[in-house]
Amino acid sequence: DTAVSQTPKYLVTQMGNDKSIKCEQNLGHDTMYWYKQDSKKFLKIMFSYNNKELIINETVPNRFSPKSPDKAHLNLHINSLELGDSAVYFCASSLLAGEQFFGPGTRLTVL
Amino acid sequence: GENVEQHPSTLSVQEGDSAVIKCTYSDSASNYFPWYKQELGKGPQLIIDIRSNVGEKKDQRIAVTLNKTAKHFSLHITETQPEDSAVYFCAASQTGANNLFFGTGTRLTVIP
Repeated sequence: DTAVSQTPKYLVTQMGNDKSIKCEQNLGHDTMYWYKQDSKKFLKIMFSYNNKELIINETVPNRFSPKSPDKAHLNLHINSLELGDSAVYFCASSLLAGEQFFGPGTRLTVL
Repeated sequence: GENVEQHPSTLSVQEGDSAVIKCTYSDSASNYFPWYKQELGKGPQLIIDIRSNVGEKKDQRIAVTLNKTAKHFSLHITETQPEDSAVYFCAASQTGANNLFFGTGTRLTVIP
C-alpha cells in the first residue's frame, strides 16, 4: 500500500562517514525529489529527477549525490557527513508538474 | 528566485473556531499554490491547491483564497477539530516547473 517509502527511518552516524538513503515509489510517477527539512521545520528542495534525468539541482554541496537507477527509485548518497547535515530528508514523487506525494522522512543525526 | 513568507508561525484556536494562515510570494510568474499538512513524524500531505486562474477554492471545511495582484494567498479552516492540529505549509511554483518553494510553516493547535 505504501506509496512513497524511504529507508532507513532513522540514521545516526559520525562526522566524516558516508551514508545513503533509499527512496521508492509505486505510484507510477515519472518525477522524484529530495527535500531537506531543518530543525526549524523549513522545507527546501535539493534535487528533482524526471525519467531518471536531473532537472533541478538547487545549491547543494557536491557531497550530496542523487542516483536514480530507474523511474521508481531515487537514492541519496552523502559523503563526508558534517554536523550541519543533521535534518529530516524527505523523498517525494509526482507526475511532471503534478501533485507531489511525500515519503515519511529519514531523520539523519550526525554526531 | 521565489520567496514565500508565511504567518503566523504558531496559532492556537478553540475547537469549533476558524483558523486563517496567510502567505505572500514574490515572483509574479508563480501560478500554482498548494497547501500541505504535516502531522508529527510524517511527511507533508497536500490538502488543497489553487491555480492563478481561480480566486477561491473550497473543499468541505477548508478553503483557499488567492489575490494575484497583491501576491498573497490564505488558508481558511472552519469548525476546527483537534485532528486539525499539525504544521501547515504554503508553497508556490510555476505550472510546468517542479520546484516548490515552501513557506516557513504554521503550527496549528486546536484546543478541545
